[in-house]
Amino acid sequence: EAQLVESGGGLVQPGGSLRLSCTASGFNFRSYVMNWVRRAPGKGLEWVASISDRGGSALYGDAVQGRFTVSRDNFNLTLSLQMDSLRSDDTAVYYCAKGRRRELFLPDAFDIWGQGTTVTVSS
Amino acid sequence: QSALTQPASVSGSPGQSITISCTGSSSDIGRNDFVSWYQQRPDKAPKLIIFDVSKRPSGVSTRFSGSKSVNTASLTISDLHIEDEGFYFCSSFTSPRLFFGPGTEVFVL
Repeated sequence: EAQLVESGGGLVQPGGSLRLSCTASGFNFRSYVMNWVRRAPGKGLEWVASISDRGGSALYGDAVQGRFTVSRDNFNLTLSLQMDSLRSDDTAVYYCAKGRRRELFLPDAFDIWGQGTTVTVSS
Repeated sequence: QSALTQPASVSGSPGQSITISCTGSSSDIGRNDFVSWYQQRPDKAPKLIIFDVSKRPSGVSTRFSGSKSVNTASLTISDLHIEDEGFYFCSSFTSPRLFFGPGTEVFVL
């Protein structure tokens, strides 16, 4: 069974940094686009970032462009999100999600999701 | 900020059908067929229920159907069940950005 498990969330002060991880199992991780999506309290889903199957290309949402960096380790089947210059409006549950399409960098639909990890940015 | 709009809430009785709209523009929904829908129940992860406007992933109930007309996508839930309660989000991808709608809360009365 395909599964994604996020870790690394926690409480961080404004301006601080945090690194999230997502460990995959049960599917060919190396062949799929991987993504981060977040949901802030009382708000809707927001796309954060996507990375191509081999890690050579990445896309970011406007709200995190220049502050967050997505990466992947296809040997250890891990997706990461380095979050710098954190702000209070980055407070959210962060989900790792698998792209539906194989070997095509088209992050349009996500068919497997983790349970999420909570990031709280507060002083 | 989302470029898509959805009604804040929709309600229906068990057995009825409801339709949720997702309105965009010629720059997103009207530009291609990369429209998806997600269901998110309380304290659960989102679940993909429709992709490419009208296709259902394996295992998703046939009670869920999607369509599109010009710049508006729609999700119809037929034969409403209690377990259909939750939030529903549309999404539209136009490279290099993916946008989600603000979400519609479905109540089964």
